[in-house]
Amino acid sequence: EPEVTQTPSHQVTQMGQEVILRCVPISNHLYFYWYRQILGQKVEFLVSFYNNEISEKSEIFDDQFSVERPDGSNFTLKIRSTKLEDSAMYFCASRGMNTEAFFGQGTRLTVV
Amino acid sequence: ELKVEQNPLFLSMQEGKNYTIYCNYSTTSDRLYWYRQDPGKSLESLFVLLSNGAVKQEGRLMASLDTKARLSTLHITAAVHDLSATYFCAVDPAGDDKIIFGKGTRLHILP
Repeated sequence: EPEVTQTPSHQVTQMGQEVILRCVPISNHLYFYWYRQILGQKVEFLVSFYNNEISEKSEIFDDQFSVERPDGSNFTLKIRSTKLEDSAMYFCASRGMNTEAFFGQGTRLTVV
Repeated sequence: ELKVEQNPLFLSMQEGKNYTIYCNYSTTSDRLYWYRQDPGKSLESLFVLLSNGAVKQEGRLMASLDTKARLSTLHITAAVHDLSATYFCAVDPAGDDKIIFGKGTRLHILP
């Protein structure tokens, strides 16, 4: 069965550093998403991406965040200058036209 | 804006008992998902419900969807300790782009 792949599974970074979280969506999917889950809390929508541009973003997705689909297969989330409160599990998801969404296994980001 | 409300948020129950988790949402939906999450782990997809009256069962878990009432339920039959986890419902609104999650129900099953 096709799956969404995220790397790394765990990333530790120092506060103020830039991090890039990577996702390989299911091929032929058109819509891509990033979600965040702070430990023990709900899964929060960050951003959706379609047709090479952001289609919607939440208030969490401020200027420190950016997304990119650099090569037609990867979908990345960049945090420019990490803060302690960015520590969370980050999930990538993708779906096709009128299909269900599939989530990746997540990247646990720890900012120290 | 779409609201997704789960209740209860925390449930402690004895093995062997039955219980139901409720998921209410505030707008029309294309799909409704149920996920299981173990502590520190990823989301495990349990069910995807597409249409009114849909019912799906896997082992001791059964999910149903009533689109008119905007309500989905996850029923646990004869609970066992291994079902202890957090369960999330998530709604895929009609015509919208993003999936919205409920706050999750933390289920603790006592042996």
